[in-house]
Amino acid sequence: NAGVMQNPRHLVRRRGQEARLRCSPMKGHSHVYWYRQLPEEGLKFMVYLQKENIIDESGMPKERFSAEFPKEGPSILRIQQVVRGDSAAYFCASSPKGRAGRNSGNTIYFGEGSWLTVV
Amino acid sequence: QQQVKQSPQSLIVQKGGISIINCAYENTAFDYFPWYQQFPGKGPALLIAIRPDVSEKKEGRFTISFNKSAKQFSLHIMDSQPGDSATYFCAARNQGAQKLVFGQGTRLTINP
Repeated sequence: NAGVMQNPRHLVRRRGQEARLRCSPMKGHSHVYWYRQLPEEGLKFMVYLQKENIIDESGMPKERFSAEFPKEGPSILRIQQVVRGDSAAYFCASSPKGRAGRNSGNTIYFGEGSWLTVV
Repeated sequence: QQQVKQSPQSLIVQKGGISIINCAYENTAFDYFPWYQQFPGKGPALLIAIRPDVSEKKEGRFTISFNKSAKQFSLHIMDSQPGDSATYFCAARNQGAQKLVFGQGTRLTINP
């Protein structure tokens, strides 16, 4: 069952280090989304990517955060110089391409998440 | 405008009872309303979804009721079971956009 695969599942970083989270979408999916979930809160949209393109990054913090989805390989969410407030669960989701190249949008599937702890 | 407000924050229901979770929104451009179920340490899983052109959708024990004029929608879980104990999130998608806006979540506990 090739669902949305995220790794690592758990990551501990010291303040100031870099965190790299990887996401492989479901087979046949070309749209990737990253969401962040703080403890006891809902999911907040961060960024939406297609292959080699950032489509919507309106939820990304202006500094230290970046995302990519290269032609080959998984999508990467990178957090530089992590701070304690970055501790959260980061979820990747994917969806298939709809008709005429548009996102079907209706079926977004989530991975199991990457839990980042900054100490 | 982009918010989805969910209530209650937590809910305890006896086994066999009906669990009801409510959501409200302001943005009339929302055109898709899914519910997700999340178990501890897991990712959200799509449970059921509805579009605003219908007032109700039922899948097994799960039903979404949608009131377009009131801009509210709710999830009903009939014959609630201990295995339904999880956190439930409502969400909404803006027409023409891709991202989902999530409610704050409801932690549901079904007592045996």
